[in-house]
Amino acid sequence: DTAVSQTPKYLVTQMGNDKSIKCEQNLGHDTMYWYKQDSKKFLKIMFSYNNKELIINETVPNRFSPKSPDKAHLNLHINSLELGDSAVYFCASSQDHTEAFFGQGTRLTVV
Amino acid sequence: KQEVTQIPAALSVPEGENLVLNCSFTDSAIYNLQWFRQDPGKGLTSLLLIQSSQREQTSGRLNASLDKSSGRSTLYIAASQPGDSATYLCAVPYGGSQGNLIFGKGTKLSVKP
Repeated sequence: DTAVSQTPKYLVTQMGNDKSIKCEQNLGHDTMYWYKQDSKKFLKIMFSYNNKELIINETVPNRFSPKSPDKAHLNLHINSLELGDSAVYFCASSQDHTEAFFGQGTRLTVV
Repeated sequence: KQEVTQIPAALSVPEGENLVLNCSFTDSAIYNLQWFRQDPGKGLTSLLLIQSSQREQTSGRLNASLDKSSGRSTLYIAASQPGDSATYLCAVPYGGSQGNLIFGKGTKLSVKP
């Protein structure tokens, strides 16, 4: 039973398109996150979200927006995709000060 | 501003060796520190979470230590195996939320048969 699942695993799209990545967690956690892992494998947080607060990393372009239909889901919408958006995107969830769990990642390639 | 550094960036050892991976952080006011493993093309697997009140945490052949005052953690892997080959990442939370993690750049471990 996968704790944090993301779809799709791979996404290839053209510049200028709008795309979404879905994330679901079945751990009952209150908070979910999106991370970006760049070509140098460095992981950096993009957003954290719970039912009270959305925290956005100031370096994230406003073309990126998280949408949470309910506590178990946090989807990532990206508008007007650019070549530099190519990366691996990870969803994660956590509860209080216990372990954070990560999904398997979505490899986005913009051509 | 919290920064996390991992040394070495890469490590290659023969099978059976014991090894130590290092992680340092600049701000000692942390709740805990988490070690992850990432296999090529895969997601992150949580290995150990060590709370700020703990000095050690063990899971199988893995042992993580934490010295908050000096801003250091080590991950000790005993009797390494080729299956241990992966990138090991340490991370500390900030902003009061466990998942707001600041990661180091990782240590890429290769265990040769």
